[in-house]
Amino acid sequence: EPEVTQTPSHQVTQMGQEVILRCVPISNHLYFYWYRQILGQKVEFLVSFYNNEISEKSEIFDDQFSVERPDGSNFTLKIRSTKLEDSAMYFCASSRLGAPPDTQYFGPGTRLTVL
Amino acid sequence: AQRVTQPEKLLSVFKGAPVELKCNYSYSGSPELFWYVQYSRQRLQLLLRHISRESIKGFTADLNKGETSFHLKKPFAQEEDSAMYYCALGEGSNYKLTFGKGTLLTVNP
Repeated sequence: EPEVTQTPSHQVTQMGQEVILRCVPISNHLYFYWYRQILGQKVEFLVSFYNNEISEKSEIFDDQFSVERPDGSNFTLKIRSTKLEDSAMYFCASSRLGAPPDTQYFGPGTRLTVL
Repeated sequence: AQRVTQPEKLLSVFKGAPVELKCNYSYSGSPELFWYVQYSRQRLQLLLRHISRESIKGFTADLNKGETSFHLKKPFAQEEDSAMYYCALGEGSNYKLTFGKGTLLTVNP
């Protein structure tokens, strides 16, 4: 069964550095999402992406964040200048359809640690 | 305002006992509700969704619009059901998921 993959599994970076988190969604999926989960807190929506553009973003997704689908397979989340509070588990998800609500399949996550 | 509330952070039952994980939501339109499960060291995966009205691994959940609830139930818990359970609401044109804080279910032998 196809799965969403994410790399790296763990990223450690210094505050102020740029990080790129990578995701390979399931191949015939059209909708892509990033979520994050700060330790001990709930999973929070960051951004959704469809047809090569952002379709919705949360308040968390400020100018420091960007997403890209550079080729036909990868979906990346870039944090331009990391802050301590960006330390979290970042999950990528994809679905075949947006509406009616289709199942979102999640990747295993990337644990980002900002020192 | 919290849109999805899971009042129990932890729930512990014995094997064979019934289990109910509570979820309440706040949404003005027709809600699309899901239960996701995360077993130890595994990814989040869909357990069930209200629109399909199916039973997965013995779990069922009924949408009660009057009580704005979508509680997850299983009549006889198994040890392998021990996991983190998240209730989620699908919102917006792309049905972004708004999650509750999750309930950690432990089924004791």
